[in-house]
Amino acid sequence: GAVVSQHPSRVICKSGTSVKIECRSLDFQATTMFWYRQFPKQSLMLMATSNEGSKATYEQGVEKDKFLINHASLTLSTLTVTSAHPEDSSFYICSAREVYTDTQYFGPGTRLTVL
Amino acid sequence: EDQVTQSPEALRLQEGESSSLNCSYTVSGLRGLFWYRQDPGKGPEFLFTLYSAGEEKEKERLKATLTKKESFLHITAPKPEDSATYLCAVQGQGGSEKLVFGKGTKLTVNP
Repeated sequence: GAVVSQHPSRVICKSGTSVKIECRSLDFQATTMFWYRQFPKQSLMLMATSNEGSKATYEQGVEKDKFLINHASLTLSTLTVTSAHPEDSSFYICSAREVYTDTQYFGPGTRLTVL
Repeated sequence: EDQVTQSPEALRLQEGESSSLNCSYTVSGLRGLFWYRQDPGKGPEFLFTLYSAGEEKEKERLKATLTKKESFLHITAPKPEDSATYLCAVQGQGGSEKLVFGKGTKLTVNP
């Protein structure tokens, strides 16, 4: 149980294009999902907290107009990187909070490369 | 401000050589302490949640314990497949659902 999927697992795009990453909780409902970014050999950096049916809460220094988050249902959150640039290249990971145990379960991650 | 410090940063063990990883934390009221395992290029895999001091949980060769100031992840007779980065995180009772992560311990188990 408690499986979270992400799609795509890997994406390569040209500078200036937008990329959408999907995060789904497959066997539980998640009122809260989180988006993280991870640089090589570093720990996870929280970008934003996504609550179903409401606006996301972004961490300090994260541009909300660049990283658009939508949490339209209890099992799906999306992160759109708009007008991507090479410095946006990174490993993006989502997590979903299981309410009864208060535990975050993580997706497998998406490797974004912007050329 | 909630903080998590993990030690050591890296640990090399021989197969079968038991050891412990440490996670020291400061938090304004602990709501939960979490251990995850992360393999290169993958998302963290959930291992344990501990809620109160004195609690212990086990899974195969891993055992997690919790005190009011720290948590230990004990690895008994490790195998090469236990090689990974182990992450510790805490959630405080301040109303936020955010996790505060340590920087992790990279474990390498040599055959």
